[in-house]
Amino acid sequence: GNSVTQMEGPVTLSEEAFLTINCTYTATGYPSLFWYVQYPGEGLQLLLKATKADDKGSNKGFEATYRKETTSFHLEKGSVQVSDSAVYFCALTEQGAQKLVFGQGTRLTINP
Amino acid sequence: NAGVMQNPRHLVRRRGQEARLRCSPMKGHSHVYWYRQLPEEGLKFMVYLQKENIIDESGMPKERFSAEFPKEGPSILRIQQVVRGDSAAYFCASSEERGHNSPLHFGNGTRLTVT
Repeated sequence: GNSVTQMEGPVTLSEEAFLTINCTYTATGYPSLFWYVQYPGEGLQLLLKATKADDKGSNKGFEATYRKETTSFHLEKGSVQVSDSAVYFCALTEQGAQKLVFGQGTRLTINP
Repeated sequence: NAGVMQNPRHLVRRRGQEARLRCSPMKGHSHVYWYRQLPEEGLKFMVYLQKENIIDESGMPKERFSAEFPKEGPSILRIQQVVRGDSAAYFCASSEERGHNSPLHFGNGTRLTVT
């Protein structure tokens, strides 16, 4: 079945550091890929998405590129801020479907 | 435009009681999804509903759990005879249409604690 594997956390960085959170997936067909962010006590918010190979999703300084050859969708940000502290979830949907399959989440803490 | 509204935010039940979780989708959204998040884990799909229809319940436990999305009113996730293992955060999401071009909007969740 479809699955998503994320880099294990927690990840702790200093402000302005470079961020990478790894995500790889297993899926049949051509899934759409997503990154969601969850701030403490809140629900998930869509951060960015990519729907086909080589697409790059970007939002709020975060980027991720859909790499079909490596089945990856790594999240990157060039300079993190304290306000980026949250849990980040990589997810996919099967082609034509809406059901999301989530990774286990990566907790990110940014220190001033 | 209000987002997805879930209530209550926190729910405490003793073992054997019933838990009812409510979800009002965003205005104009007719697709509702329920997910469960166990501590320190990702979200797991439970059920997908449209108005008056269950479309996909492949993630629902076979016993004690049920969901509905009536023509009028919120979607309800019902857990009968709760056990400690049901303690989790339950998230509802809604979308306007089916398909990956229609993004899911999540509520803030209901945190169920079974004592």
